[in-house]
Amino acid sequence: KQEVTQIPAALSVPEGENLVLNCSFTDSAIYNLQWFRQDPGKGLTSLLLIQSSQREQTSGRLNASLDKSSGRSTLYIAASQPGDSATYLCAVRGTGGFKTIFGAGTRLFVKA
Amino acid sequence: KAGVTQTPRYLIKTRGQQVTLSCSPISGHRSVSWYQQTPGQGLQFLFEYFSETQRNKGNFPGRFSGRQFSNSRSEMNVSTLELGDSALYLCASSPESGAILNEQFFGPGTRLTVL
Repeated sequence: KQEVTQIPAALSVPEGENLVLNCSFTDSAIYNLQWFRQDPGKGLTSLLLIQSSQREQTSGRLNASLDKSSGRSTLYIAASQPGDSATYLCAVRGTGGFKTIFGAGTRLFVKA
Repeated sequence: KAGVTQTPRYLIKTRGQQVTLSCSPISGHRSVSWYQQTPGQGLQFLFEYFSETQRNKGNFPGRFSGRQFSNSRSEMNVSTLELGDSALYLCASSPESGAILNEQFFGPGTRLTVL
């Protein structure tokens, strides 16, 4: 059974700092991994999708890496801004079916 | 292109009632998935539909059901509502051609409160 863990659960940083969010999963038989952002009371916004054959994806100040063999993904945010404050979720889609399993998320607060 | 839309956005029901939620995917997307989000359990997968067929189902009781129409729009139904069904219900769509699993795009959700 796939389990997805995100560390840390919460993070507070000053504006301008570079930061790394971590996601680990127990079953390496995955199809893809997707990072999302969620603002309070809202739906999820897709940030990056990494297919199982890929090692990383980049979009603007965001970079996500995937190490399938060790069951880890990281989301790197460069030069953080107060507008980056949100909950960040990683989601893993397994090859054994079409279920998507989410981590509990990392709540990020960027102080101005 | 319009995003994923969900209706209604907010619902208040009482225990024992039933409720139907609707999701319209992004035009051209054939897969629709449903999720329940609560503070205690986080985001949990309910079920996924592709071309009007349920491809997978999460670990929820039979009171939770869904369907997909030929235009890819989807509905989920919860019967005999319980207090614990209070949650944000999220719908996601993705293009998906056959076995290719793509990026999921989420709607704003339906906030269900059961009194």
